[in-house]
Amino acid sequence: EAGVAQSPRYKIIEKRQSVAFWCNPISGHATLYWYQQILGQGPKLLIQFQNNGVVDDSQLPKDRFSAERLKGVDSTLKIQPAKLEDSAVYLCASSLRSGALNTGELFFGEGSRLTVL
Amino acid sequence: KQEVTQIPAALSVPEGENLVLNCSFTDSAIYNLQWFRQDPGKGLTSLLLIQSSQREQTSGRLNASLDKSSGRSTLYIAASQPGDSATYLCAVRPVDSSYKLIFGSGTRLLVRP
Repeated sequence: EAGVAQSPRYKIIEKRQSVAFWCNPISGHATLYWYQQILGQGPKLLIQFQNNGVVDDSQLPKDRFSAERLKGVDSTLKIQPAKLEDSAVYLCASSLRSGALNTGELFFGEGSRLTVL
Repeated sequence: KQEVTQIPAALSVPEGENLVLNCSFTDSAIYNLQWFRQDPGKGLTSLLLIQSSQREQTSGRLNASLDKSSGRSTLYIAASQPGDSATYLCAVRPVDSSYKLIFGSGTRLLVRP
């Protein structure tokens, strides 16, 4: 079974530029998550999708970050304009579904490492 | 607000030792707790998932326990090997409307040959 796919693995940009990350979840997984992991910290949830609807985006800096999940499968996360503090690893994860019927187990991709200069 | 703490932040042990990693959380109203492993430059690999009704889960040399009432979980690694060197993260899923995972900052483990 293929895992969660992410690209690009690495990206270096100047501040104020834009960047986009792509994620393809495990086949059949209805729930998709984007996490931000700053060096030395645990991951922090940015946005959670159930199919193509947003469940939670309370910690997404909406003035510069946007995400979409068209057709309820793959997803893109965009940052525009980037700031120095956006340097982090952006992790995508998926699970079968959210809610009480879900086992709750998340499966993560390899992550996209962003460096903002 | 749920907070997850992992102590110690870093640990170095000689090969063959049995070791315990600790995770504590402030709110016992959780749906489940999950332990992950993260190798440098890599994503997270799920190790064990414990539902709130369970006390422990085992996989090979790993055993995770959960004491929900005291807000604690431990990850026990038996007969450690250099290949176990990684960062270990625990995360809880609170019983609220979002069901989102709250992570600790991790314990960075080094197993010396």
